[in-house]
Amino acid sequence: QKEVEQNSGPLSVPEGAIASLNCTYSDRGSQSFFWYRQYSGKSPELIMFIYSNGDKEDGRFTAQLNKASQYVSLLIRDSQPSDSATYLCAVNRGGSYIPTFGRGTSLIVHP
Amino acid sequence: GAVVSQHPSRVICKSGTSVKIECRSLDFQATTMFWYRQFPKQSLMLMATSNEGSKATYEQGVEKDKFLINHASLTLSTLTVTSAHPEDSSFYICSASLQGLNQPQHFGDGTRLSIL
Repeated sequence: QKEVEQNSGPLSVPEGAIASLNCTYSDRGSQSFFWYRQYSGKSPELIMFIYSNGDKEDGRFTAQLNKASQYVSLLIRDSQPSDSATYLCAVNRGGSYIPTFGRGTSLIVHP
Repeated sequence: GAVVSQHPSRVICKSGTSVKIECRSLDFQATTMFWYRQFPKQSLMLMATSNEGSKATYEQGVEKDKFLINHASLTLSTLTVTSAHPEDSSFYICSASLQGLNQPQHFGDGTRLSIL
């Protein structure tokens, strides 16, 4: 089992819909969780981070963390074509500052 | 804050050439930086962890003599691809974070390396 797993997709949603991206991790001691967006040919950029169970909202983005079930998700409301990108989930294992990245989920928002 | 600058953005050179890529933290000090490689349509792969003032820690399968890392100051890490060959052509990205366990990574813009 990989340490951080994501469905590679592509996930295709219509413009204006909610896109739901999921990530599971294997280390129960993990403490910090990050979502990055990567456009084709570009480097990743930070979208959201979350440390505590529950939801965290920032604009159209909501990160959800459930440590008991070991998953973290990212919801994108009112999806726009400009949201089309690969979304990377990253987890810092407990006591470590070294991130482990999932392979990313490709999101396509079609007009 | 937390800006990471990477240079050059693109390199095209002949096989056998050594190529140096620089990664700088512009507004913070980074005792640790990370180097990644990404092939087209594939995931980000950690190559090595660069530690200021000490040897880098390489991931399994990454040749330390091929990919030389120097982290001589708190704001600069360099990756040198020695005697590059076409199979080394890839997108190389560095990242750094502020001090602390819960800090996110801030990425440089990446270097696209093409070996002819």
